Amino acid sequence: EVQLVESGGGLVQPGGSLRLSCAASGFTFSNYWMSWVRQAPGKGLEWVANIKQDGSDKYYVDSVKGRFTISRDNAENSLYLQMNSLRAEDTAVYYCARDLRYNDYWGQGTLVTVSS
Amino acid sequence: QSALTQPRSVSGSPGQSVTISCTGTSSDVGGYNYVSWYQQHPGKAPKLMIYDVSKRPSGVPDRFSGSKSGNTASLTISGLQAEDEADYYCYSYAGSYTLVFGGGTKLTVL
Repeated sequence: EVQLVESGGGLVQPGGSLRLSCAASGFTFSNYWMSWVRQAPGKGLEWVANIKQDGSDKYYVDSVKGRFTISRDNAENSLYLQMNSLRAEDTAVYYCARDLRYNDYWGQGTLVTVSS
Repeated sequence: QSALTQPRSVSGSPGQSVTISCTGTSSDVGGYNYVSWYQQHPGKAPKLMIYDVSKRPSGVPDRFSGSKSGNTASLTISGLQAEDEADYYCYSYAGSYTLVFGGGTKLTVL
């Protein structure tokens, strides 16, 4: 059974940093692109970033470029999102999801709240 | 990276059919056959309902169908059931390994 489990969310002050993790199981992690998608409270979904199977290529939505870094550890079957210079508008539930042009499996999400 | 345009809400009675539109541009919806649709119930993670415009994942009822014409994709739900009440989002590849979601549509089953 495919499982994606996010962790690392929490309350952080504006300008602070947070690192999200996503533990993958039930499939060959190294064979798939992986993505992060977020959803602000009461708002719609927003694609944030994705990463190629071997980690060599990474892509971001404009609003997080230069602040967020997506990475992966195929030996640990894990996906990460390092978030720096956090802003109030980054407050959202962050989901990790499998694949590139569509996301067939999603985690349950982890809430990031940016507030003083 | 502008969001795709969806109606804020649609509604229908049990047994009826509803269609949700998703309008983009030639740089996203119109340029690729990589439109997918997601169902999201309150407090839950999104669920893939349609991918590559019109393909259904295993386990998704055939009441759900997708299509595309030009820059507009559509999700049709036939034989509406109470459990179909949810938010629906379209999602399109937009080139250069970037993707964009629609703003979401709230489906109410009357």
